[in-house]
Amino acid sequence: DAKTTQPTSMDCAEGRAANLPCNHSTISGNEYVYWYRQIHSQGPQYIIHGLKNNETNEMASLIITEDRKSSTLILPHATLRDTAVYYCIVRGPYSGAGSYQLTFGKGTKLSVIP
Amino acid sequence: DTEVTQTPKHLVMGMTNKKSLKCEQHMGHRAMYWYKQKAKKPPELMFVYSYEKLSINESVPSRFSPECPNSSLLNLHLHALQPEDSALYLCASSQDPGQAYEQYFGPGTRLTVT
Repeated sequence: DAKTTQPTSMDCAEGRAANLPCNHSTISGNEYVYWYRQIHSQGPQYIIHGLKNNETNEMASLIITEDRKSSTLILPHATLRDTAVYYCIVRGPYSGAGSYQLTFGKGTKLSVIP
Repeated sequence: DTEVTQTPKHLVMGMTNKKSLKCEQHMGHRAMYWYKQKAKKPPELMFVYSYEKLSINESVPSRFSPECPNSSLLNLHLHALQPEDSALYLCASSQDPGQAYEQYFGPGTRLTVT
């Protein structure tokens, strides 16, 4: 699976949009971009995923550049409960090894400030 | 119901003890996973079960023994652990091992080995 690079930490004011970048310059054509987050001492939570089109759900929007080498997760109105570590993961096609695997990088620690 | 449950929430055990961690899901998912997460580090995959069969073992020491008695239940048996095995143990499940569905995580069991 392609490697991802994320900033170590970011701050965002409460009520503002949080834009979390991710670089995945070695991504191949059939690899998806997934975002998970982990609130302190809880299990990771799935947020959103996409292949090449922009995606939106009730939690967030995912913007993938046309060359697919980077993406941005957008939380439109950040709240204090969005304070967490956000992981960008590039996930390949089925390897035949029994299941897909998630390889977590270090992620971005987002702090939402009142 | 999109919940993965794990018991116990906390476990303290000595190096000579035998204990088990339990994970349960009732979403009909056919892939189940064990991850280990050390403090301030991302989760690391340990085992993958696909249709109740062990499909991936990420070179985990034999003092960790997974078991999948049925499609809803996943156990992790612990024996002769070391203090460095103290960590958060996360269980996850996904719908179909052969497709790139999102993984749902449980809250984890925080294990302390004394």
